[in-house]
Amino acid sequence: EVQLLESGGALVRPGGSLRLSCAASGFTFSKIAMSWVRQAPGKGLEWVSTIAYSGTYYADSVRGRFTISRDDSKDTLYLQMNSLRAADTAVYYCVKGLVHVDYWGQGTLVTVSS
Amino acid sequence: DIVMTQTPLSLSVAPGQAASISCKSSQSLLDSDGKTCLYWYLQRAGQPPQLLIYAVSNRFSGVPDRFSGSGSRTDFTLKISRVEAEDVGIYYCMQTLQFPRTFGQGTKLEIK
Repeated sequence: EVQLLESGGALVRPGGSLRLSCAASGFTFSKIAMSWVRQAPGKGLEWVSTIAYSGTYYADSVRGRFTISRDDSKDTLYLQMNSLRAADTAVYYCVKGLVHVDYWGQGTLVTVSS
Repeated sequence: DIVMTQTPLSLSVAPGQAASISCKSSQSLLDSDGKTCLYWYLQRAGQPPQLLIYAVSNRFSGVPDRFSGSGSRTDFTLKISRVEAEDVGIYYCMQTLQFPRTFGQGTKLEIK
């Protein structure tokens, strides 16, 4: 059974930093591209970033501030978020797959507020 | 960026009746391998999205056969043949052809 468990969400002040983690199980993590997708309160879904064999990809809204990475020895995906803004407030989902995007984690809430 | 446009944005359907959601993309979602990169998800209240349909018309594991997807290139449709109470939620289409990945605005399905 595929499981994706996010952690690291918190209340952080504008300009602050946070690192999200996603622990994966139930599939061969090292062979699968992974992404982060976020959802602001009461809003729709917004793709944030993907890490694949071909490289890393970012939404314009986070490029230069967020960094996606992975540790295949730990089956874990990360999202380092710097220079956080109020507009980054959202539930962040860890998502499996590059073209075939199938499983989503339960999400972790990031709140950016003073 | 590929713009995904869903209609309607909300839908109220009586149990047992059919429902249909449209998703239009601003450019063709057909990739060089002949696959069309259009996906449908359902997000129930307080839950993460779950995959319903992949590559336009393929039901994901465990998805009831009352859900079906159709379309090609830029015009796609999700149909529910007989709506049930558990189908309530927000439906999203998503393109995975190119970056940035983009979603439709979502269609909220309610039961009458």
